[in-house]
Amino acid sequence: GAGVSQSPSNKVTEKGKDVELRCDPISGHTALYWYRQSLGQGLEFLIYFQGNSAPDKSGLPSDRFSAERTGGSVSTLTIQRTQQEDSAVYLCASSLVPLILAPTDTQYFGPGTRLTVL
Amino acid sequence: AQKVTQAQTEISVVEKEDVTLDCVYETRDTTYYLFWYKQPPSGELVFLIRRNSFDEQNEISGRYSWNFQKSTSSFNFTITASQVVDSAVYFCALSEAGSGGYQKVTFGTGTKLQVIP
Repeated sequence: GAGVSQSPSNKVTEKGKDVELRCDPISGHTALYWYRQSLGQGLEFLIYFQGNSAPDKSGLPSDRFSAERTGGSVSTLTIQRTQQEDSAVYLCASSLVPLILAPTDTQYFGPGTRLTVL
Repeated sequence: AQKVTQAQTEISVVEKEDVTLDCVYETRDTTYYLFWYKQPPSGELVFLIRRNSFDEQNEISGRYSWNFQKSTSSFNFTITASQVVDSAVYFCALSEAGSGGYQKVTFGTGTKLQVIP
């Protein structure tokens, strides 16, 4: 595909249920990033993958959040036992190489998944 | 702890005016990275620029320019001859440069820019 895609575009779930959010980065991009944006907390960085590895997971808000990336491509962000404060738009981005290694590289964002926890 | 402050919540300018968006940051790290992002009304984030802490050269890209000053911990963004398409929320962000690379990223609260035709 031409850009970063995310699915689903919208997800409504009940409190306590688990959800999986998917991100398909641009083909060949080694770095993948997850963020979330909510009215209460603004923009937050969640996690970054270099290949299939996440060097630092401290941005994940709680142990209910986990993320993985397989085959250096698709990434899944899983939220277990969702809470109402998890309601937000979850954004994914990718770049050819990690942003801090390439002065001229660009980060490309997907359209986001809007998660609503009732 | 690191912090990014965008004191201007909303700015309105008339088309063709120049406008500067302020970003002030706090960090104890000597090596760090600064970013600007644009979020137009459509909602999709757009990456604009990355700057290393050890590179204080100003950057110009078309009508956009960035002024990085370590002495004042500021990374300001200027749009010259603003256009209606520049209307968006602009976010400044700071990343540590730990062993994991891109990490501990902190965003400012954003500045909403409205360009009036």
